[in-house]
Amino acid sequence: KQEVTQIPAALSVPEGENLVLNCSFTDSAIYNLQWFRQDPGKGLTSLLLIQSSQREQTSGRLNASLDKSSGRSTLYIAASQPGDSATYLCGAGANNLFFGTGTRLTVIP
Amino acid sequence: NAGVMQNPRHLVRRRGQEARLRCSPMKGHSHVYWYRQLPEEGLKFMVYLQKENIIDESGMPKERFSAEFPKEGPSILRIQQVVRGDSAAYFCASSPTGPNEKLFFGSGTQLSVL
Repeated sequence: KQEVTQIPAALSVPEGENLVLNCSFTDSAIYNLQWFRQDPGKGLTSLLLIQSSQREQTSGRLNASLDKSSGRSTLYIAASQPGDSATYLCGAGANNLFFGTGTRLTVIP
Repeated sequence: NAGVMQNPRHLVRRRGQEARLRCSPMKGHSHVYWYRQLPEEGLKFMVYLQKENIIDESGMPKERFSAEFPKEGPSILRIQQVVRGDSAAYFCASSPTGPNEKLFFGSGTQLSVL
Protein backbone atom coordinates (compact mmCIF):
# COMPACT_ATOMS: atom_id res chain seq x y z
CA LYS A 1 0.00 0.00 0.00
CA GLN A 2 1.24 3.48 -0.90
CA GLU A 3 2.49 5.58 1.99
CA VAL A 4 3.21 9.27 1.57
CA THR A 5 5.30 11.27 4.02
CA GLN A 6 5.81 15.02 4.10
CA ILE A 7 8.61 16.82 5.84
CA PRO A 8 8.65 19.18 7.66
CA ALA A 9 5.25 19.09 9.34
CA ALA A 10 5.39 22.84 9.88
CA LEU A 11 7.57 25.62 8.55
CA SER A 12 7.75 29.31 9.39
CA VAL A 13 9.74 31.70 7.19
CA PRO A 14 10.06 35.46 6.76
CA GLU A 15 8.53 37.00 3.68
CA GLY A 16 10.75 36.89 0.61
CA GLU A 17 12.56 33.68 1.45
CA ASN A 18 12.78 30.77 -0.94
CA LEU A 19 11.73 27.44 0.54
CA VAL A 20 11.47 23.74 -0.23
CA LEU A 21 8.81 21.28 0.86
CA ASN A 22 9.51 17.57 0.69
CA CYS A 23 7.33 14.60 -0.16
CA SER A 24 8.31 10.93 -0.26
CA PHE A 25 6.30 7.92 -1.37
CA THR A 26 6.89 4.19 -1.07
CA ASP A 27 5.39 2.77 -4.27
CA SER A 28 6.85 4.10 -7.52
CA ALA A 29 3.99 2.65 -9.62
CA ILE A 30 2.18 5.96 -9.85
CA TYR A 31 0.31 7.72 -12.65
CA ASN A 32 1.22 11.13 -11.35
CA LEU A 33 2.05 13.22 -8.32
CA GLN A 34 0.07 16.31 -7.46
CA TRP A 35 0.71 19.21 -5.11
CA PHE A 36 -2.20 21.02 -3.49
CA ARG A 37 -2.72 23.79 -1.00
CA GLN A 38 -5.43 23.75 1.63
CA ASP A 39 -6.58 26.83 3.49
CA PRO A 40 -8.27 26.39 6.90
CA GLY A 41 -11.80 25.05 6.56
CA LYS A 42 -11.54 24.82 2.80
CA GLY A 43 -11.03 22.19 0.14
CA LEU A 44 -7.84 21.53 -1.77
CA THR A 45 -6.65 23.70 -4.62
CA SER A 46 -4.51 22.01 -7.24
CA LEU A 47 -1.12 23.66 -7.72
CA LEU A 48 0.93 21.38 -9.94
CA LEU A 49 0.60 17.94 -11.51
CA ILE A 50 3.65 15.96 -12.59
CA GLN A 51 3.02 12.95 -14.80
CA SER A 52 5.02 9.84 -13.97
CA SER A 53 7.11 10.31 -17.12
CA GLN A 54 8.01 13.91 -16.27
CA ARG A 55 10.74 15.31 -14.05
CA GLU A 56 9.34 18.70 -13.14
CA GLN A 57 6.59 21.26 -13.62
CA THR A 58 6.59 25.01 -13.10
CA SER A 59 3.83 27.53 -12.49
CA GLY A 60 4.78 31.08 -11.60
CA ARG A 61 6.82 31.05 -8.40
CA LEU A 62 6.25 27.32 -7.90
CA ASN A 63 8.41 24.51 -9.19
CA ALA A 64 7.82 20.84 -8.44
CA SER A 65 10.22 18.01 -9.20
CA LEU A 66 9.70 14.27 -9.29
CA ASP A 67 12.23 11.47 -8.88
CA LYS A 68 10.27 8.23 -9.20
CA SER A 69 13.26 5.98 -8.67
CA SER A 70 13.95 7.42 -5.23
CA GLY A 71 10.29 8.03 -4.40
CA ARG A 72 10.70 11.75 -3.82
CA SER A 73 9.17 15.03 -4.88
CA THR A 74 9.94 18.57 -3.86
CA LEU A 75 7.93 21.76 -4.12
CA TYR A 76 10.05 24.88 -4.40
CA ILE A 77 8.41 28.23 -3.62
CA ALA A 78 10.36 31.31 -4.65
CA ALA A 79 10.11 34.71 -2.98
CA SER A 80 7.48 33.60 -0.46
CA GLN A 81 4.57 35.92 0.37
CA PRO A 82 2.15 36.03 3.32
CA GLY A 83 -0.59 34.83 0.96
CA ASP A 84 1.35 31.58 0.54
CA SER A 85 0.51 30.67 4.15
CA ALA A 86 -1.49 27.43 3.99
CA THR A 87 -1.10 23.69 4.37
CA TYR A 88 0.58 22.06 1.39
CA LEU A 89 -0.32 18.48 0.53
CA CYS A 90 1.18 16.08 -1.93
CA GLY A 91 -0.76 13.19 -3.37
CA ALA A 92 0.68 10.24 -5.27
CA GLY A 93 -0.97 7.22 -6.78
CA ALA A 94 -2.59 5.49 -9.68
CA ASN A 95 -6.37 4.95 -9.57
CA ASN A 96 -6.55 7.18 -6.55
CA LEU A 97 -4.23 9.52 -4.71
CA PHE A 98 -2.65 8.78 -1.36
CA PHE A 99 -1.90 11.90 0.64
CA GLY A 100 0.65 12.91 3.22
CA THR A 101 -0.41 14.83 6.32
CA GLY A 102 0.91 18.04 4.83
CA THR A 103 3.32 20.85 5.65
CA ARG A 104 1.78 23.84 7.40
CA LEU A 105 3.54 26.91 6.02
CA THR A 106 3.50 30.31 7.69
CA VAL A 107 5.08 33.26 5.90
CA ILE A 108 5.74 36.12 8.30
CA PRO A 109 5.37 39.66 6.89
CA ASN B 1 -18.07 26.98 -15.09
CA ALA B 2 -18.91 26.21 -11.48
CA GLY B 3 -16.45 24.17 -9.48
CA VAL B 4 -17.17 20.98 -7.61
CA MET B 5 -20.22 21.59 -5.47
CA GLN B 6 -20.78 19.78 -2.21
CA ASN B 7 -23.77 20.07 0.05
CA PRO B 8 -24.52 20.49 2.75
CA ARG B 9 -21.45 22.32 4.06
CA HIS B 10 -22.24 21.28 7.59
CA LEU B 11 -24.33 18.31 8.66
CA VAL B 12 -25.24 17.41 12.22
CA ARG B 13 -26.62 13.98 12.99
CA ARG B 14 -27.36 12.05 16.16
CA ARG B 15 -25.93 8.59 16.64
CA GLY B 16 -27.92 6.02 14.69
CA GLN B 17 -29.23 8.43 12.06
CA GLU B 18 -28.36 8.42 8.38
CA ALA B 19 -26.13 10.96 6.67
CA ARG B 20 -26.35 11.75 2.96
CA LEU B 21 -23.60 13.82 1.40
CA ARG B 22 -23.95 15.16 -2.13
CA CYS B 23 -21.36 16.04 -4.71
CA SER B 24 -21.91 17.61 -8.12
CA PRO B 25 -18.73 17.35 -10.19
CA MET B 26 -17.48 20.08 -12.47
CA LYS B 27 -19.30 20.32 -15.77
CA GLY B 28 -17.93 17.74 -18.18
CA HIS B 29 -16.32 15.62 -15.46
CA SER B 30 -17.47 12.02 -15.26
CA HIS B 31 -15.08 10.76 -12.57
CA VAL B 32 -15.70 11.35 -8.87
CA TYR B 33 -13.58 10.54 -5.83
CA TRP B 34 -14.54 10.71 -2.17
CA TYR B 35 -12.02 11.36 0.61
CA ARG B 36 -12.33 11.67 4.38
CA GLN B 37 -10.20 13.93 6.55
CA LEU B 38 -10.04 13.39 10.28
CA PRO B 39 -8.60 16.06 12.59
CA GLU B 40 -4.79 16.04 12.52
CA GLU B 41 -4.80 13.25 9.93
CA GLY B 42 -4.28 13.24 6.22
CA LEU B 43 -6.87 12.77 3.54
CA LYS B 44 -7.90 9.15 3.23
CA PHE B 45 -9.25 7.79 -0.04
CA MET B 46 -12.66 6.17 0.20
CA VAL B 47 -14.11 5.45 -3.23
CA TYR B 48 -13.68 6.24 -6.93
CA LEU B 49 -16.74 6.25 -9.18
CA GLN B 50 -17.50 6.80 -12.81
CA LYS B 51 -21.03 7.37 -14.05
CA GLU B 52 -23.12 4.42 -12.79
CA ASN B 53 -20.01 2.41 -11.87
CA ILE B 54 -17.85 1.94 -8.80
CA ILE B 55 -14.26 1.69 -10.02
CA ASP B 56 -12.40 1.36 -6.72
CA GLU B 57 -13.94 1.13 -3.26
CA SER B 58 -10.89 -0.17 -1.46
CA GLY B 59 -11.01 2.68 1.07
CA MET B 60 -14.64 2.28 2.03
CA PRO B 61 -15.50 0.76 5.41
CA LYS B 62 -17.19 -2.58 4.82
CA GLU B 63 -20.35 -1.70 6.72
CA ARG B 64 -22.69 1.30 6.86
CA PHE B 65 -21.00 3.22 4.01
CA SER B 66 -22.12 3.26 0.39
CA ALA B 67 -21.65 5.51 -2.61
CA GLU B 68 -23.31 5.99 -5.95
CA PHE B 69 -22.95 8.19 -9.00
CA PRO B 70 -26.11 7.81 -11.08
CA LYS B 71 -26.48 8.64 -14.74
CA GLU B 72 -28.36 11.79 -13.79
CA GLY B 73 -27.77 13.85 -10.67
CA PRO B 74 -25.04 14.19 -8.09
CA SER B 75 -22.87 11.56 -6.51
CA ILE B 76 -24.11 10.52 -3.07
CA LEU B 77 -22.08 9.23 -0.13
CA ARG B 78 -24.41 7.55 2.33
CA ILE B 79 -23.55 6.66 5.90
CA GLN B 80 -26.10 4.59 7.77
CA GLN B 81 -26.40 4.44 11.56
CA VAL B 82 -23.73 7.06 12.13
CA VAL B 83 -21.38 6.82 15.11
CA ARG B 84 -19.22 9.50 16.73
CA GLY B 85 -16.16 8.19 14.92
CA ASP B 86 -17.75 9.15 11.60
CA SER B 87 -17.35 12.83 12.50
CA ALA B 88 -14.96 14.22 9.89
CA ALA B 89 -14.68 16.42 6.83
CA TYR B 90 -15.72 14.58 3.68
CA PHE B 91 -14.30 15.87 0.42
CA CYS B 92 -15.32 15.10 -3.11
CA ALA B 93 -13.08 15.59 -6.12
CA SER B 94 -13.67 15.21 -9.84
CA SER B 95 -11.65 14.83 -13.01
CA PRO B 96 -12.68 14.88 -16.68
CA THR B 97 -11.72 11.45 -17.98
CA GLY B 98 -9.73 9.59 -15.38
CA PRO B 99 -7.24 9.51 -12.50
CA ASN B 100 -4.29 10.61 -14.61
CA GLU B 101 -5.48 14.21 -14.53
CA LYS B 102 -5.74 17.10 -12.13
CA LEU B 103 -8.23 16.58 -9.37
CA PHE B 104 -10.59 19.42 -8.55
CA PHE B 105 -11.89 19.38 -5.00
CA GLY B 106 -15.07 20.69 -3.46
CA SER B 107 -15.16 22.64 -0.21
CA GLY B 108 -16.20 19.58 1.75
CA THR B 109 -18.99 18.57 4.09
CA GLN B 110 -18.25 18.71 7.80
CA LEU B 111 -20.17 15.91 9.47
CA SER B 112 -20.68 16.14 13.22
CA VAL B 113 -22.24 13.22 15.06
CA LEU B 114 -23.71 14.02 18.47
